[in-house]
Amino acid sequence: GAVVSQHPSWVICKSGTSVKIECRSLDFQATTMFWYRQFPKQSLMLMATSNEGSKATYEQGVEKDKFLINHASLTLSTLTVTSAHPEDSSFYICGHADRADTQYFGPGTRLTVL
Amino acid sequence: QKEVEQDPGPLSVPEGAIVSLNCTYSNSAFQYFMWYRQYSRKGPELLMYTYSSGNKEDGRFTAQVDKSSKYISLFIRDSQPSDSATYLCALKAAGNKLTFGGGTRVLVKP
Repeated sequence: GAVVSQHPSWVICKSGTSVKIECRSLDFQATTMFWYRQFPKQSLMLMATSNEGSKATYEQGVEKDKFLINHASLTLSTLTVTSAHPEDSSFYICGHADRADTQYFGPGTRLTVL
Repeated sequence: QKEVEQDPGPLSVPEGAIVSLNCTYSNSAFQYFMWYRQYSRKGPELLMYTYSSGNKEDGRFTAQVDKSSKYISLFIRDSQPSDSATYLCALKAAGNKLTFGGGTRVLVKP
């Protein structure tokens, strides 16, 4: 299966600051990457689909100005949580689909906003 | 009603027992069926991927799809404590995004 990495694995920040999470596809050139959010004991919720070289597609209810996505290369997509607040504390997971359209996921980034 | 229903558990079994997991769905457009395993504070790991009704086996894992009943299952034979995790079903219609079940937490006791 595809290999996806994320960095950092855990970040703690103060309320009002911005945090950037990186997602790398290590063995596949991904034109599309996916960003999910997962609250404790809940399932993954798709936030946005990141498209290389173009704007991301956001799911209904996700603020695009708050969750900035950049997909500048075929192996890197970034999610920046701007002006983070405690309610943004969550587990953020990225992933991409291979040629067979099977999705693989990164190890996740735990964000804690104080 | 959710598109995909999955019992949250926890499902507790003794080591060596068969773990039986299932999801039901309402959207007949779903064509692709996946099972992921997720350990605490880790990303989901793909276990099984099927697209047709019937059984698919891989080692200790068997995935079963019944499209007529809109019901999918995952069986884990000879369960081990290391199988303790949350198991997520994920379904997809052609060209569409994944729709996840809520996940079932499984505990395999030594």
